[in-house]
Amino acid sequence: TQLLEQSPQFLSIQEGENLTVYCNSSSVFSSLQWYRQEPGEGPVLLVTVVTGGEVKKLKRLTFQFGDARKDSSLHITAAQPGDTGLYLCAGGDSGGGADGLTFGKGTHLIIQP
Amino acid sequence: EAQVTQNPRYLITVTGKKLTVTCSQNMNHEYMSWYRQDPGLGLRQIYYSMNVEVTDKGDVPEGYKVSRKEKRNFPLILESPSPNQTSLYFCASSLSGWGARTYEQYFGPGTRLTVT
Repeated sequence: TQLLEQSPQFLSIQEGENLTVYCNSSSVFSSLQWYRQEPGEGPVLLVTVVTGGEVKKLKRLTFQFGDARKDSSLHITAAQPGDTGLYLCAGGDSGGGADGLTFGKGTHLIIQP
Repeated sequence: EAQVTQNPRYLITVTGKKLTVTCSQNMNHEYMSWYRQDPGLGLRQIYYSMNVEVTDKGDVPEGYKVSRKEKRNFPLILESPSPNQTSLYFCASSLSGWGARTYEQYFGPGTRLTVT
């Protein structure tokens, strides 16, 4: 089973600050997805990255896939209270199997107004 | 509206009493999956289905059954629930099985199950 480690587990910062959360593994993934989950709801996809070194931007969010496709980061610029939530990374098996995604345990992010 | 629905949203039951959590999607997705989410353990896959009549075990299948008789429905069955199955359950679907990892998974709103 491939494992994804997310750090930090918990992060509480003030509105307007920048932050980066990380998703690391010793395994290679065919792709990596980031989801955000709000209380009482299911996760919602933010982005999928598939190429080593790929960088994608979604407004104030910047996602990067590591060159070796073993890690990823999510950077938020000028965080806002609406960014509060649980951020999950999920990796696709590079072994060719159709066994779904491997999820990290998530980063709980709180943005204080 | 494209969506995954789950019922019930909340369920409190007793040990050993069989229950079914329903899941339905209206997006004509081939791939469907069940996860459980527990504090400190994250999301773990229980079962998945590549298409009608095709199901397979995920990481934590013990104590659960599934069926996929129709493309849109993927019920989760607990034949004899136990307290360690108390959890938050999510159904998800995506467009395709093979290469599903690169397709967006749409999640249902979750079912919070408590087994006493």
